[in-house]
Amino acid sequence: GEDVEQSLFLSVREGDSSVINCTYTDSSSTYLYWYKQEPGAGLQLLTYIFSNMDMKQDQRLTVLLNKKDKHLSLRIADTQTGDSAIYFCAEDAGNMLTFGGGTRLMVKP
Amino acid sequence: DVKVTQSSRYLVKRTGEKVFLECVQDMDHENMFWYRQDPGLGLRLIYFSYDVKMKEKGDIPEGYSVSREKKERFSLILESASTNQTSMYLCASSLSQGTYEQYFGPGTRLTVT
Repeated sequence: GEDVEQSLFLSVREGDSSVINCTYTDSSSTYLYWYKQEPGAGLQLLTYIFSNMDMKQDQRLTVLLNKKDKHLSLRIADTQTGDSAIYFCAEDAGNMLTFGGGTRLMVKP
Repeated sequence: DVKVTQSSRYLVKRTGEKVFLECVQDMDHENMFWYRQDPGLGLRLIYFSYDVKMKEKGDIPEGYSVSREKKERFSLILESASTNQTSMYLCASSLSQGTYEQYFGPGTRLTVT
């Protein structure tokens, strides 16, 4: 089966940059996604990138895509305590998404 | 804004009870999904539906069934709840074309005692 892999945990200090990494498996994916889940809530779409792009920037968020290595990353600049959450990457497989296991980001004041 | 609602945020049921989890979306999405989320296991797909009265098994369908009688509503049914079905249940919906992003409800935390 397909596996989308992420590290489980990341801890940063407030004001630093956070980089969350993801490796995916399906080279035919058209879009790759980042979702955020705050405690006790559902998943919220943060951003997505089209597979023919290398980079996408949206305010404090930068998504980098390396198709050769099937590697996706999410950089959060000037990380704030409100960014503490679980972050999921996902790849599309036709009509469905395959999610990674999630990375828990902890931001220390 | 897309809105996906789930009937309960928290639910406590006894072993052997029949449990219904309801999900409603208001954006005329064709696709609807049920996931369960457990610590360390991420999101696992239980069932999905790409049209009214259509359903497909996901990765972990055992012990569950679903119903989609109307386009906006997708129900997850636990025929006889067991303690290993204690989990967070997330419903999502998406269009069948375009960017495929899924919109999630707030989740139902089910405890089976």
